[in-house]
Amino acid sequence: DAKTTQPNSMESNEEEPVHLPCNHSTISGTDYIHWYRQLPSQGPEYVIHGLTSNVNNRMASLAIAEDRKSSTLILHRATLRDAAVYYCILLTGTASKLTFGTGTRLQVTL
Amino acid sequence: KAGVTQTPRYLIKTRGQQVTLSCSPISGHRSVSWYQQTPGQGLQFLFEYFSETQRNKGNFPGRFSGRQFSNSRSEMNVSTLELGDSALYLCASSLAGRTEAFFGQGTRLTVV
Repeated sequence: DAKTTQPNSMESNEEEPVHLPCNHSTISGTDYIHWYRQLPSQGPEYVIHGLTSNVNNRMASLAIAEDRKSSTLILHRATLRDAAVYYCILLTGTASKLTFGTGTRLQVTL
Repeated sequence: KAGVTQTPRYLIKTRGQQVTLSCSPISGHRSVSWYQQTPGQGLQFLFEYFSETQRNKGNFPGRFSGRQFSNSRSEMNVSTLELGDSALYLCASSLAGRTEAFFGQGTRLTVV
């Protein structure tokens, strides 16, 4: 599986936008970029995924670099409930095995 | 729509015993995957079942096994428990052909 690199931790103020980066320089043409998050004492939760174009859903936006070697998960207005570990994962086609790295621990403060 | 249900939520077992964990996927989901989460190793893939067949397997010893029933419910079994098997065991289900996985809250296993 191609590897992703994320910062260990980030901080944000509540109601501010948050940009969570992910580097995946060895991504292949068939790899989808998936984001999951894990809130304290919960199982991981699917956030968003994309292949080449930027994607939006009710939870977040995913901005994918033109060369696909990096991507950014954007939370438009962080709330305290967004404090979680965010994982960026590459997945080929309809494969279902998720390879979790260490993720980015997001802290949101008032 | 009910989410992924895992039972029991908490379990304490003694070294050498065996344990069975259960997972009921979201209705209509035929793929069920299992993960182990520990502070040291993070989230690691155990295995995936689809239509009662193991489709993918992680790098775990043979003491870890699973199965899936015709109603898509799945069980995982760990035999000859070791202290290092203490972990949060998570189950995830997904629709055939879709990659979004939906996780349960997990079963916290403590081996003493």
